[in-house]
Amino acid sequence: SQQGEEDPQALSIQEGENATMNCSYKTSINNLQWYRQNSGRGLVHLILIRSNEREKHSGRLRVTLDTSKKSSSLLITASRAADTASYFCATSGGTSYGKLTFGQGTILTVHP
Amino acid sequence: DTGVSQDPRHKITKRGQNVTFRCDPISEHNRLYWYRQTLGQGPEFLTYFQNEAQLEKSRLLSDRFSAERPKGSFSTLEIQRTEQGDSAMYLCASSPLEGAGQPQHFGDGTRLSIL
Repeated sequence: SQQGEEDPQALSIQEGENATMNCSYKTSINNLQWYRQNSGRGLVHLILIRSNEREKHSGRLRVTLDTSKKSSSLLITASRAADTASYFCATSGGTSYGKLTFGQGTILTVHP
Repeated sequence: DTGVSQDPRHKITKRGQNVTFRCDPISEHNRLYWYRQTLGQGPEFLTYFQNEAQLEKSRLLSDRFSAERPKGSFSTLEIQRTEQGDSAMYLCASSPLEGAGQPQHFGDGTRLSIL
């Protein structure tokens, strides 16, 4: 079963706009990761935030983590058509440092 | 920079047949993972290896599924007596051992279609 819920399920924006995706999870975590997946391809790691961190930046990406609310958000600023993809949050937690538990994903479409 | 490689990319087979997929991880990565992804869903964990040891298996991994990593390098995932519900994308990922919660590097998957 999936750990997380992502919101929205689909997001359509114009190039240059910002895109915000949210992720909620149910159990305690060691870290939360965001991945991107282009159609028919594997997942590409974007950013990892540890449970003791609240915010992290990487280029045009900003991730926040609120462990009290068991939620995270991914902000993509100044979006480009090439950002069109599915975005997944994934959690790693408990005694298992190995497996990731993924949400259902947000499909982002950026129109040129 | 050689990434994670999966073979074949696509597999079409009849119900009841056996299939085997191969994954070659990034060479210095000790950990190797298998996930299954159905259309419109996120990947679901199946199993993972640390070197040649299989450390965790999901309840999704029925007795028709078996995975091996004999020399701690490449891995195979075999599905026996395939069923319609096995149709999915099978993803392999690898990560280094050191530290907790390392990012995983994914291959492009094997898409399995059961006729």
